[in-house]
Amino acid sequence: DAMVIQNPRYQVTQFGKPVTLSCSQTLNHNVMYWYQQKSSQAPKLLFHYYDKDFNNEADTPDNFQSRRPNTSFCFLDIRSPGLGDAAMYLCATSADSPLGYTFGSGTRLTVV
Amino acid sequence: KQEVTQIPAALSVPEGENLVLNCSFTDSAIYNLQWFRQDPGKGLTSLLLIQSSQREQTSGRLNASLDKSSGRSTLYIAASQPGDSATYLCAVGSGTYKYIFGTGTRLKVLA
Repeated sequence: DAMVIQNPRYQVTQFGKPVTLSCSQTLNHNVMYWYQQKSSQAPKLLFHYYDKDFNNEADTPDNFQSRRPNTSFCFLDIRSPGLGDAAMYLCATSADSPLGYTFGSGTRLTVV
Repeated sequence: KQEVTQIPAALSVPEGENLVLNCSFTDSAIYNLQWFRQDPGKGLTSLLLIQSSQREQTSGRLNASLDKSSGRSTLYIAASQPGDSATYLCAVGSGTYKYIFGTGTRLKVLA
């Protein structure tokens, strides 16, 4: 089945230690997104890629970076995680036209 | 700036009841609106997608309506079941490829 896969499901990292979360898709969608969701809050868009075109949200901290080496994969890099970065990180994809999102299962990040 | 609000924030109903979840948005210039379900600690599962030209969509016991002029969408769940317990999020496609999410309604259906 075509899908969006996030790895790992759970990630524990140390304060200040770089961490990378990954997302892959078999839908061949042009657009890939990274959202951050903290407890009981709405998902917040960090950035998205349209093909290789990177679009950063104005309020996304510089600590968060992303890479999209090809259509199928997208990575979220947190350069120096702080305690406030503990959250669920959600990857989503959509086709060229706005036909809705498909989400992965998320990665729960804990910072110790 | 688009703002999305969901009321109520939490809802508890006995099994078998029909219920309505509400989503309102401030800017009627939208591409589409999507309803999602989120189980605790999990990702988002798409329930229904309504394009801006449509007024409603149905899937099984779920029906979603859209009234762009009034900035509202409703998700109707018929004959609720304990398995429907989850958080329901609406997301408005506003601006190229970007969704703005509401904070969700936490639903608990009691057996």
